[in-house]
Amino acid sequence: SQQGEEDPQALSIQEGENATMNCSYKTSINNLQWYRQNSGRGLVHLILIRSNEREKHSGRLRVTLDTSKKSSSLLITASRAADTASYFCATEDYSGNTPLVFGKGTRLSVIA
Amino acid sequence: GAGVSQTPSNKVTEKGKYVELRCDPISGHTALYWYRQSLGQGPEFLIYFQGTGAADDSGLPNDRFFAVRPEGSVSTLKIQRTERGDSAVYLCASSLYRNNEQFFGPGTRLTVL
Repeated sequence: SQQGEEDPQALSIQEGENATMNCSYKTSINNLQWYRQNSGRGLVHLILIRSNEREKHSGRLRVTLDTSKKSSSLLITASRAADTASYFCATEDYSGNTPLVFGKGTRLSVIA
Repeated sequence: GAGVSQTPSNKVTEKGKYVELRCDPISGHTALYWYRQSLGQGPEFLIYFQGTGAADDSGLPNDRFFAVRPEGSVSTLKIQRTERGDSAVYLCASSLYRNNEQFFGPGTRLTVL
């Protein structure tokens, strides 16, 4: 079963614009992670935010976490054509003893 | 190696056949995971190894699926009597320990005709 639900399912923007993707989940978590996937193959880990953190930055990426709303957002600033990919959130539950649960992903297209 | 590798990259088989998918994790990573990803979906967990033992196989869909990791490094996912519904990309990931960042391989695309 999949816990995370990304929103929107697909997003198309112009190069240079910011892209925001949201993730909602259902249970208490230990951490939430964002991954990127190109062409339906291997995933690349982008960022991990723990349940006691509210915001985290990595380069052009900004992730927020609101545990009261069970939601997270991924912001990519100044997008580039190379950012075109699918983005998935994945949650690890509070026990840390269960598998990562991935959402269905947001398909981002950045148009040059 | 530099990253997680998986072989073959593509596998086409006929319904009812047996297939083996191989994963070579990053050297020294104790944890290894198998996922299955269908078109338009996120990866779904199948099984997790800590060392040589399957610590969690709760995601295996049925007893046609089996995985081994005999020496705590390379893992093989085995599917018996394949069905068309088994068609998907099978992803392998490894991490230094459980709850660390997972590094994914490029996947094996399995097509069952």
